[in-house]
Amino acid sequence: QSALTQPASVSGSPGQSITISCTGTSSDVGGYNYVSWYQQHPGKAPKLMIYDVSNRPSGVSNRFSGSKSGNTASLTISGLQAEDEADYYCSSYTSSSTLAVFGGGTKLTVL
Amino acid sequence: EVQLVQSGAEVKKPGESLKISCKGSGYSFTSYWIGWVRQMPGKGLEWMGIIYPGDSDTRYSPSFQGQVTISADKSISTAYLQWSSLKASDTAMYYCARQGCTNGVCYILDYWGQGTLVTVSS
Repeated sequence: QSALTQPASVSGSPGQSITISCTGTSSDVGGYNYVSWYQQHPGKAPKLMIYDVSNRPSGVSNRFSGSKSGNTASLTISGLQAEDEADYYCSSYTSSSTLAVFGGGTKLTVL
Repeated sequence: EVQLVQSGAEVKKPGESLKISCKGSGYSFTSYWIGWVRQMPGKGLEWMGIIYPGDSDTRYSPSFQGQVTISADKSISTAYLQWSSLKASDTAMYYCARQGCTNGVCYILDYWGQGTLVTVSS
């Protein structure tokens, strides 16, 4: 069982917006602004999409945005495109371990 | 350009030993933690452990402590993950990743290797 809880799957049509949630505790997501999100296409390595809750690395589309409220972080993808279909993982710094924790992953299907 | 290049796919038998590698380039290898992440077939990402090549400080996830050994050779900018006796349940894709820091907190996996597929089967 993963330390952070994500929905197993979400779906949306091209052009729509979707949001993926990531729920933790006050020891991780709720206690710090150190949440990151990763995108993984089938057969590929994960790619950093968001860090520090809402910051985008250089080169990541501004259609991807992050936010946090309490113990839940969220990744929003606007203007959904076919290429966004992938697995998405959240991760958070935690005071309980020297290693960060991952969510279980969410499969995004673009209808 | 930051790059992490991992060694190729491996097919091993149960009980055999294995050491896979991750070579970093394009940055100061000794200044960043390198992490290892397991992904079993059809499953999610799992932290295995991290190493700081500058002084070989190593931390393991409790699930992997004693099961694997993480090491690094800073002279050739390479990190390693090794098993002394493989099991079928070690079959997985293994990724190395550079751990970046923000405000002194290191948790971001900003660059990833391409992955090494390890298959353990009799």
